[in-house]
Amino acid sequence: DGGITQSPKYLFRKEGQNVTLSCEQNLNHDAMYWYRQDPGQGLRLIYYSQIVNDFQKGDIAEGYSVSREKKESFPLTVTSAQKNPTAFYLCASSTGLAGQTQYFGPGTRLLVL
Amino acid sequence: GENVEQHPSTLSVQEGDSAVIKCTYSDSASNYFPWYKQELGKRPQLIIDIRSNVGEKKDQRIAVTLNKTAKHFSLHITETQPEDSAVYFCAAMSSSASKIIFGSGTRLSIRP
Repeated sequence: DGGITQSPKYLFRKEGQNVTLSCEQNLNHDAMYWYRQDPGQGLRLIYYSQIVNDFQKGDIAEGYSVSREKKESFPLTVTSAQKNPTAFYLCASSTGLAGQTQYFGPGTRLLVL
Repeated sequence: GENVEQHPSTLSVQEGDSAVIKCTYSDSASNYFPWYKQELGKRPQLIIDIRSNVGEKKDQRIAVTLNKTAKHFSLHITETQPEDSAVYFCAAMSSSASKIIFGSGTRLSIRP
């Protein structure tokens, strides 16, 4: 999982503002994922992508958007439509093959001003 | 839809004792079961995994067992140490699925 980076480590969002979280991997993984984790809670899937230029909604996609223009990158935008964005955001990647585990990035903590 | 239930949600054990965390899954096609450990403020990290063609796997003080008939799998930590304190997540994935289904997590505390 050392090949997955997320930036920034902390991000502050103002009301009505869109913010973008970065996720980059150099593991040559095809599949990438975004999860949201609220304090003391589990992992909830926001979006995932199995291949470049294709992505699918997860369980809580409303208020978020993604793009997958490059294999190495899967940025997540938290839009102003997401009314409660304060959380720990984790990016993960895997080979995309069946039964292959996911490796996580270090996470971005998003706070609302 | 697919679901993974994890119990208990919190677990406190005396240092040196064993800890057991249990999960059940709903999708009978699931064939890959990883376990992750997440320390406070850090990323989840894979600690052990098991595939459906085996019933048990061990790695030093950690072991995982799988009962496919009952759709149960468990994490066993022996001779617990303070650094075992963390949140542990189980997960299940099927060969036809493109995503892993995570359990809700177990907060393990080791008492000195």
